[in-house]
Amino acid sequence: NAGVMQNPRHLVRRRGQEARLRCSPMKGHSHVYWYRQLPEEGLKFMVYLQKENIIDESGMPKERFSAEFPKEGPSILRIQQVVRGDSAAYFCASSPPSGGDTQYFGPGTRLTVL
Amino acid sequence: AQSVTQPDIHITVSEGASLELRCNYSYGATPYLFWYVQSPGQGLQLLLKYFSGDTLVQGIKGFEAEFKRSQSSFNLRKPSVHWSDAAEYFCAVGSPSGSARQLTFGSGTQLTVLP
Repeated sequence: NAGVMQNPRHLVRRRGQEARLRCSPMKGHSHVYWYRQLPEEGLKFMVYLQKENIIDESGMPKERFSAEFPKEGPSILRIQQVVRGDSAAYFCASSPPSGGDTQYFGPGTRLTVL
Repeated sequence: AQSVTQPDIHITVSEGASLELRCNYSYGATPYLFWYVQSPGQGLQLLLKYFSGDTLVQGIKGFEAEFKRSQSSFNLRKPSVHWSDAAEYFCAVGSPSGSARQLTFGSGTQLTVLP
């Protein structure tokens, strides 16, 4: 059973460009979470999604950031007009639809903004 | 709001020595508690979790943690550290109720293992 998949693993963007980060949850998991890890810090929650629904986006910056989890395909975290402060590791986690709240993490996407 | 404190930013131990990493949380009731480990450039791997029941939980790689309600703590222990345990360790809390399923993480403890 494959784990949580994220791509790309590394992404370099220039200021003002768009970044798209993809996350495929573990098989059978329908809940997806995105976290951001700034250098030398712990992970900070951004958004929690189920298929076609945003359940909790209380950790998302108000501007430039959006997330989706369509009926088909991976979850996408989109950052428009990136700035240097967006440089971080972005982790996706997934959990099953029922039976506990254990989240399983992907390897992360390391975004560098030049 | 829930919060997690890991008081030790960096710990160094010799291989074969015992280890204890501290974690204190703030939460209105009994939360779900987790320890994750992160190797350089990697994602997070779940070591163990506590939801309810026996307050001493066993995890992978020989780790265990004890939930102490009176101290709001969930310290991670290992009796004999191996060089491969060098990594960063994160304690996290989650809410057992409602739709708020986000995890709140501590800032991490970096473990160095000396030969």
